[in-house]
Amino acid sequence: DTGVSQNPRHKITKRGQNVTFRCDPISEHNRLYWYRQTLGQGPEFLTYFQNEAQLEKSRLLSDRFSAERPKGSFSTLEIQRTEQGDSAMYLCASSAPGGHGELFFGEGSRLTVL
Amino acid sequence: GDSVTQMEGPVTLSEEAFLTINCTYTATGYPSLFWYVQYPGEGLQLLLKATKADDKGSNKGFEATYRKETTSFHLEKGSVQVSDSAVYFCALLGGSNYQLIWGAGTKLIIKP
Repeated sequence: DTGVSQNPRHKITKRGQNVTFRCDPISEHNRLYWYRQTLGQGPEFLTYFQNEAQLEKSRLLSDRFSAERPKGSFSTLEIQRTEQGDSAMYLCASSAPGGHGELFFGEGSRLTVL
Repeated sequence: GDSVTQMEGPVTLSEEAFLTINCTYTATGYPSLFWYVQYPGEGLQLLLKATKADDKGSNKGFEATYRKETTSFHLEKGSVQVSDSAVYFCALLGGSNYQLIWGAGTKLIIKP
């Protein structure tokens, strides 16, 4: 078990470019979550998958953000037309069936938009 | 809506001191409560949890008791070490059953 893996760990991009982050959860975990974290704040919920189904998306999330989990395994988070306000740490977490609230986090992908 | 309030940091203590980090919550129903920890350069990890009133969660010398009457879940440790330096997050899981509600985090600094 290698834990939750995220890449890239750090992405620097120019405003207006598109970026994509990948998350590989723990293999037997059916639930996958994306969060955003800025300095001095707790994680902010973005979206949640159970297997390949996206069951919830934060209403705070603009339509520039999209996430997929095509085969119920890895997931991608894409941000289109990035803005400076998108600069943050993007966290992925997974949990086992029945493991409500017991999330296993990756180390995060830090986005810097210039 | 549901919310979690933590004491502001940073909290600076000397090694072997007693630690309390306060956490209070607002929620409808009977949430589960969690403490997560984020060590420098590492991902968030679950420290302990409690799922019903009067439950005590414990791990690595840390403890927290779910107090329904005071809507609190304060984190305590009897004797802290330099290696406990980290950011600690209190969180609750409410009726939605999938979305954790997080506090802002409390940075703990332990000096030798």
